Amino acid sequence: AQKITQTQPGMFVQEKEAVTLDCTYDTSDPSYGLFWYKQPSSGEMIFLIYQGSYDQQNATEGRYSLNFQKARKSANLVISASQLGDSAMYFCAMREVTASKLTFGTGTRLQVTL
Amino acid sequence: GAGVSQSPSNKVTEKGKDVELRCDPISGHTALYWYRQRLGQGLEFLIYFQGNSAPDKSGLPSDRFSAERTGESVSTLTIQRTQQEDSAVYLCASSFSGMSGDTQYFGPGTRLTVL
Repeated sequence: AQKITQTQPGMFVQEKEAVTLDCTYDTSDPSYGLFWYKQPSSGEMIFLIYQGSYDQQNATEGRYSLNFQKARKSANLVISASQLGDSAMYFCAMREVTASKLTFGTGTRLQVTL
Repeated sequence: GAGVSQSPSNKVTEKGKDVELRCDPISGHTALYWYRQRLGQGLEFLIYFQGNSAPDKSGLPSDRFSAERTGESVSTLTIQRTQQEDSAVYLCASSFSGMSGDTQYFGPGTRLTVL
């Protein structure tokens, strides 16, 4: 069964600094996709970045990059040059090619400080 | 273009009543998903619709929960005889196809409170 683990319930980072949010996953399926979503206090889930299991390069989207280490089954999110608006819950999720659903981790609450 | 919309945004009901939650997916998206998010937790999958295929209902927690979708448009999630443990935010998502690499785009959710 697929499983996502986010071990950091809360993180603090200073504005303009970089921060890494950890995510490890467990699956026996060789083909899967990994996603990161941001959930601000308004509650909406905002898609940030996607990494396919067969992608050779780490995904990047603006200030977001995904540090994908397949052998270690980790997919950490790196946010560069943090902004106050980055304060939110961040969820890592996975979908196996054989599955209908996204499986989510429990999330990390990021607080950006001045 | 318009994103996923959900209604109502908030619903307060009494224990034992039935509720209906609505989701309007992004136009052209064939796949539609319902998730539930309890306070302070991650999202739990409920049900998945893909085109005209039989829905994947494997995440529905009990037979009090059901959902319908007409073609590739609106979906309705119905909870019968609501219980206090049904209190949560119900999120709908849609994607272009049902493939694993397709991004699921979420609506703003319906916050359900069962008194």
